Amino acid sequence: AQSVTQPDIHITVSEGASLELRCNYSYGATPYLFWYVQSPGQGLQLLLKYFSGDTLVQGIKGFEAEFKRSQSSFNLRKPSVHWSDAAEYFCAVANTLTGFQKLVFGTGTRLLVSP
Amino acid sequence: GAVVSQHPSWVICKSGTSVKIECRSLDFQATTMFWYRQFPKQSLMLMATSNEGSKATYEQGVEKDKFLINHASLTLSTLTVTSAHPEDSSFYICSARTDSGANVLTFGAGSRLTVL
Repeated sequence: AQSVTQPDIHITVSEGASLELRCNYSYGATPYLFWYVQSPGQGLQLLLKYFSGDTLVQGIKGFEAEFKRSQSSFNLRKPSVHWSDAAEYFCAVANTLTGFQKLVFGTGTRLLVSP
Repeated sequence: GAVVSQHPSWVICKSGTSVKIECRSLDFQATTMFWYRQFPKQSLMLMATSNEGSKATYEQGVEKDKFLINHASLTLSTLTVTSAHPEDSSFYICSARTDSGANVLTFGAGSRLTVL
């Protein structure tokens, strides 16, 4: 079965600084990979996804992620963080057999943005 | 874009009572909806897949008699926590996919259940 590890429970970044959130997955084949953001009182919003093709994926709000098969990673990056980016970020994986619908989520990383 | 609405957003109930949570797709039809449970500082765990017009499919370890799911229309799925106990206190989140085939799920804002 697939699994997802987000090693950082929380990260604090200064506004304007760059950001990288780590995500490692476990799956025997090429998975479907997702990053979601959850703000308080709101549902999960999809930032970006990777199914196949170009391993560098661009998402909304200036986020990007890179799929590295050799490292089983799908780290999320943003060159310049804004205060509004403070939220909980979840990496998720779905396997190609059951399809994208059965998502397995990581435990999340809480991003704090300092002035 | 697609919107999924959950109601109530939070509910407090006494132990032994039943609580119903609604999940609605507001501007699209959803033949399939998903129910997740999220404990504090933990990830979302898929509980069940709700299928319009048929029985829900439950994940291993989820009590189907405890968590009743009904998907009676293309825009509404309900989760009923029966005879709730304090250990059922959690954040319940639903999601839905459109029938357009797009490989994206839309999530509701979640419903926080507290059982006293």
